[in-house]
Amino acid sequence: AQSVTQLDSQVPVFEEAPVELRCNYSSSVSVYLFWYVQYPNQGLQLLLKYLSGSTLVKGINGFEAEFNKSQTSFHLRKPSVHISDTAEYFCAVIHGGTTDSWGKLQFGAGTQVVVTP
Amino acid sequence: DTGVSQNPRHKITKRGQNVTFRCDPISEHNRLYWYRQTLGQGPEFLTYFQNEAQLEKSRLLSDRFSAERPKGSFSTLEIQRTEQGDSAMYLCASSLAIYNEQFFGPGTRLTVL
Repeated sequence: AQSVTQLDSQVPVFEEAPVELRCNYSSSVSVYLFWYVQYPNQGLQLLLKYLSGSTLVKGINGFEAEFNKSQTSFHLRKPSVHISDTAEYFCAVIHGGTTDSWGKLQFGAGTQVVVTP
Repeated sequence: DTGVSQNPRHKITKRGQNVTFRCDPISEHNRLYWYRQTLGQGPEFLTYFQNEAQLEKSRLLSDRFSAERPKGSFSTLEIQRTEQGDSAMYLCASSLAIYNEQFFGPGTRLTVL
């Protein structure tokens, strides 16, 4: 079965410390991977995406993620967080290979990041 | 580019009533998606339009739900005979191509009393 698992529901982190959010997926076809952020009372905003090519992708606001096909993972990292990074982060997958997917996103349950001074 | 807009932002209704939500995608985007997000969960796919054609509906979408996209522009999502379980955030997204970024609207929060 195709699935997306975010291993941590909440991650507390101190300001200026690094953070890693874990995402694993299960798929029988090729995948296209995304990380979205949702600030309180706002819509989802794309942080970064992996479609093909280099497995290390850089996104906005200093975030980066690495696609690991053998471990079926797409973990998100930031070397130094700010208070303003407090938000919910969603990993999402498009299961490609056929037109049946129509590009629809399958989301993980989300990871709430809380940055404290 | 004014982004994806959704109206209303909030809707409170009584069980059994019908509600309709509107989504205006980014003007040049021919692909439009509806998702539903409940508290503590990630968004779940509901339905997809390419231009005016509705190409896929999730099994989550019961017969009480219907969506349209006349002329391939804005889209509406109607829920008939609302139930308390329909309470959720309804998100609309649009994109240019199948694996491109989907731009999300702010959502419509539905509360069914």
